[in-house]
Amino acid sequence: EAGVTQSPTHLIKTRGQQATLRCSPISGHTSVYWYQQALGLGLQFLLWYDEGEERNRGNFPPRFSGRQFPNYSSELNVNALELEDSALYLCASSLEISGPQFFGPGTRLTVL
Amino acid sequence: QKEVEQNSGPLSVPEGAIASLNCTYSDRGSQSFFWYRQYSGKSPELIMSIYSNGDKEDGRFTAQLNKASQYVSLLIRDSQPSDSATYLCAVSEGGSSNTGKLIFGQGTTLQVKP
Repeated sequence: EAGVTQSPTHLIKTRGQQATLRCSPISGHTSVYWYQQALGLGLQFLLWYDEGEERNRGNFPPRFSGRQFPNYSSELNVNALELEDSALYLCASSLEISGPQFFGPGTRLTVL
Repeated sequence: QKEVEQNSGPLSVPEGAIASLNCTYSDRGSQSFFWYRQYSGKSPELIMSIYSNGDKEDGRFTAQLNKASQYVSLLIRDSQPSDSATYLCAVSEGGSSNTGKLIFGQGTTLQVKP
């Protein structure tokens, strides 16, 4: 069974630009989660999508947004990039809302 | 502020020994508890899930949960050098409805010395 996939693996942007990150969940999983792992800060919850709807968002500014498509894949958009947005962005999916979340390999975003 | 606390380590154990990793959490409403392993530069990999008080064993791994004490632990028996990694404790955010959010500790770095 294929795991969660993410693209691109690495992304380099300059301050003020926009970044788009993509995620495909495990087949059969309808919930997709986004987390940010910045150096020294641990994993921070960003967004949760289920059945095409945003269900919850973490304590991040509105320039972090996303969506979930009918095939349950998801996109994370970060507008007006700032230097501190440099981090590993992890996507996860789950079969059940209260069940374990399975992570993809991540996208490493570098903002110069 | 809901928190998950772990000793950052490093925890160093000899090959073949038992490694004991601990985690405390502040949210009494949490219902789901997970341990993830993260190798340097990689994404977290699920090791164990536990939902009720007591012990749960899976191969060399045993997770222990005590909701009254708000304490979760992970024991790794017969530790191998390949177990050297950062172990993340994750706790579901509690509340009247599911938020989908996992709250992660900062992780404990385990070093298994040959």
